[in-house]
Amino acid sequence: GAVVSQHPSRVICKSGTSVKIECRSLDFQATTMFWYRQFPKQSLMLMATSNEGSKATYEQGVEKDKFLINHASLTLSTLTVTSAHPEDSSFYICSAGQLYNSPLHFGNGTRLTVT
Amino acid sequence: KQEVTQIPAALSVPEGENLVLNCSFTDSAIYNLQWFRQDPGKGLTSLLLIQSSQREQTSGRLNASLDKSSGRSTLYIAASQPGDSATYLCAVRRNGMIYNQGGKLIFGQGTELSVKP
Repeated sequence: GAVVSQHPSRVICKSGTSVKIECRSLDFQATTMFWYRQFPKQSLMLMATSNEGSKATYEQGVEKDKFLINHASLTLSTLTVTSAHPEDSSFYICSAGQLYNSPLHFGNGTRLTVT
Repeated sequence: KQEVTQIPAALSVPEGENLVLNCSFTDSAIYNLQWFRQDPGKGLTSLLLIQSSQREQTSGRLNASLDKSSGRSTLYIAASQPGDSATYLCAVRRNGMIYNQGGKLIFGQGTELSVKP
């Protein structure tokens, strides 16, 4: 089945630094990828929709300059958390799909801890 | 605005029991509904996808039903096993002619299932 790979699975960084998270579709082309954030014991909140070759669409309340998204190819989207702060510590998950009526497949998530 | 609610928030059952997880949504104009499983600290695994024109989908011991008019879906797990312990999430995809707009999933809060041996 379709596989989405997310890297790294865990990252610890110091406050003020930037962290890049990669999301790859391994066996299919994904024109659209989605980035979610999940707090403990809570559901997934969509942060942004990443479109190959164009600008990402951010959800209301999500800072574009803080969460930089790049979707340079049909198999790779990246999320960069810039100038990270402790409140950015969270679980970040990406998802990707092929066709509009196909299931969305999710990566295994990235646990970000900002100290 | 679409809202998705899952009841119960947590459920503990003995091994072997059949169980039902509930999902309700406020806007019946959905494109499809998907059930996921999430293990602690992990991503989501897609279990079943039901298109808006379908009534149910089955995979092994899992059966998901959809009643669009009443805004409800259920996930039935037969003969539960300890390995079924996880959080189960339902998500609806709204209508949309353009994929990236229609592709947004709205998630429920999840049901945390514990199956005791």
